[in-house]
Amino acid sequence: DTAVSQTPKYLVTQMGNDKSIKCEQNLGHDTMYWYKQDSKKFLKIMFSYNNKELIINETVPNRFSPKSPDKAHLNLHINSLELGDSAVYFCASSHRNEQYFGPGTRLTVT
Amino acid sequence: DQQVKQNSPSLSVQEGRISILNCDYTNSMFDYFLWYKKYPAEGPTFLISISSIKDKNEDGRFTVFLNKSAKHLSLHIVPSQPGDSAVYFCAASIRTGGSQGNLIFGKGTKLSVKP
Repeated sequence: DTAVSQTPKYLVTQMGNDKSIKCEQNLGHDTMYWYKQDSKKFLKIMFSYNNKELIINETVPNRFSPKSPDKAHLNLHINSLELGDSAVYFCASSHRNEQYFGPGTRLTVT
Repeated sequence: DQQVKQNSPSLSVQEGRISILNCDYTNSMFDYFLWYKKYPAEGPTFLISISSIKDKNEDGRFTVFLNKSAKHLSLHIVPSQPGDSAVYFCAASIRTGGSQGNLIFGKGTKLSVKP
């Protein structure tokens, strides 16, 4: 009974491709997030969604777009992938204070 | 510009002894602080948190201390166990309307507890 799940766990693709990472939470939380952990190990927020409304959008390229079909899902679409997009992407959800993270998706762009 | 800093990339402690992980922050508007633990190939797991109105919060073997004047917090683990070996992330946020705002993470400290 995974609380926050992500698919796929690993994703290897070539530059220029378009890919998606899926996230689902079964905690009934109101807010979901996407984080990027780069090669320097910094965890930085990319987006958050609250009740299907985008409430935080950090300075990420517009090649990245979050899509939330419902409250339990927040998918991340990435267009025209670049080498610098290689990182681990974490989905998270929260109700009020603590955030709960998924296992991460390691994206490698070749 | 790092608003949350964990200056020790690694820490090694003997089993049974105390582990002390440190975290400094620069933004005085932060009012909520959290510690997360991360094992390899897994997502961060929430460990313990503290509001800025407190200076200490304890949960079992884990205690977080907050020194607002020094903009410093620490996580104490007593006694340390080999299963505590992981990367520990400090995070801070500014809460609005009672809900957590954007989490700003430190770079993490890798704790190794030796049997």
